[in-house]
Amino acid sequence: DAGVIQSPRHEVTEMGQEVTLRCKPISGHNSLFWYRQTMMRGLELLIYFNNNVPIDDSGMPEDRFSAKMPNASFSTLKIQPSEPRDSAVYFCASSWDRLNSPLHFGNGTRLTVT
Amino acid sequence: AQSVTQPDIHITVSEGASLELRCNYSYGATPYLFWYVQSPGQGLQLLLKYFSGDTLVQGIKGFEAEFKRSQSSFNLRKPSVHWSDAAEYFCAVGDFSGGGADGLTFGKGTHLIIQP
Repeated sequence: DAGVIQSPRHEVTEMGQEVTLRCKPISGHNSLFWYRQTMMRGLELLIYFNNNVPIDDSGMPEDRFSAKMPNASFSTLKIQPSEPRDSAVYFCASSWDRLNSPLHFGNGTRLTVT
Repeated sequence: AQSVTQPDIHITVSEGASLELRCNYSYGATPYLFWYVQSPGQGLQLLLKYFSGDTLVQGIKGFEAEFKRSQSSFNLRKPSVHWSDAAEYFCAVGDFSGGGADGLTFGKGTHLIIQP
């Protein structure tokens, strides 16, 4: 079991640039989540998908953020244009969509926007 | 709306000493409770979970947690900590009314420091 795979591990970009974060969930999991972690706000759920369909994106901070899941094995979180306040660690997690199924997290992408 | 409070931002414990990390939750129904650990530069790993039944839950790495409904608490304990336990610990409460893990709310975490 390779676990949830995120790339890149680190991303440094300038304000105004487009940033794309990638996630490969655990094979067979049908729910995928994007979380953002900051010192001030802790872990926040941005969006989650079930069977590749976005179910709740109420946590997405603003229109600059978008997420896609074109198939069961891949998801992207895009920020365009990026701003310094977007600097955070972004986690992807996956699970079975059923009771008793815990989340499995990737190692995160540390984003720094200068 | 559900919420989780971890009142201790930092805790320092000597190696070999016992540990208790506090977690209080607010939730209208029977909660589903979790503890996750985040080692430096790593993702979050599930330590243990409580869904129903025995209120004392055993997890990995020698951790346990006790659900106390009257106190709305789910404190994490370990009888003797090891230097490798130094990490960030997150308590979370889940809403599974939709059948899935969509409603997971995390506390802000407790940073555990182990003194030699």
